[in-house]
Amino acid sequence: SAVISQKPSRDICQRGTSLTIQCQVDSQVTMMFWYRQQPGQSLTLIATANQGSEATYESGFVIDKFPISRPNLTFSTLTVSNMSPEDSSIYLCSVDPGTFAETQYFGPGTRLLVL
Amino acid sequence: AQSVTQLGSHVSVSEGALVLLRCNYSSSVPPYLFWYVQYPNQGLQLLLKYTSAATLVKGINGFEAEFKKSETSFHLTKPSAHMSDAAEYFCAVRGGSARQLTFGSGTQLTVLP
Repeated sequence: SAVISQKPSRDICQRGTSLTIQCQVDSQVTMMFWYRQQPGQSLTLIATANQGSEATYESGFVIDKFPISRPNLTFSTLTVSNMSPEDSSIYLCSVDPGTFAETQYFGPGTRLLVL
Repeated sequence: AQSVTQLGSHVSVSEGALVLLRCNYSSSVPPYLFWYVQYPNQGLQLLLKYTSAATLVKGINGFEAEFKKSETSFHLTKPSAHMSDAAEYFCAVRGGSARQLTFGSGTQLTVLP
């Protein structure tokens, strides 16, 4: 398994501002993902963070709102831009080692409240 | 495409009683199935996984799940609930070579003293 850390662990932000969330893994991994978990809801995949190229976004999510960087195989950032109260969620980073029987391992999440 | 249905958004059991959390899946290719647990204010922890080997899968904390292709189910069980099992449980599916997970809506487990 991989050890994943996220910063910040929580934040309270004003509408119209942006927040960048960092995800750090203790080993090189093939795939990294970003999920959103709205209050009382399940997890929804935002995008796959690709190393050295643009992220792959799921339907309903766009780069202008959720720009993602992946400069190397152990680090990624997700920015939530021009925030509104509807962006209040838990944002989770996950990694997939890519081997056959492995699955995704999740970070502790970033709890975001937008006022 | 894959999808997951978790029956029962809230399940309550008494301490020491059987835990049964239901998960049914839909997949156009042979699926890989997972159960994750989320404790309050924490991320997701992998409980167990089915990856086309044994159909009865044992996980951490005394949980197990059985893959039943004929019923398209992957229910999670534990013979005797403990207070520390109170958490949210998510079933997830991955299809074929795709690495993305599709999650069910989750089941909140409450353990009563």
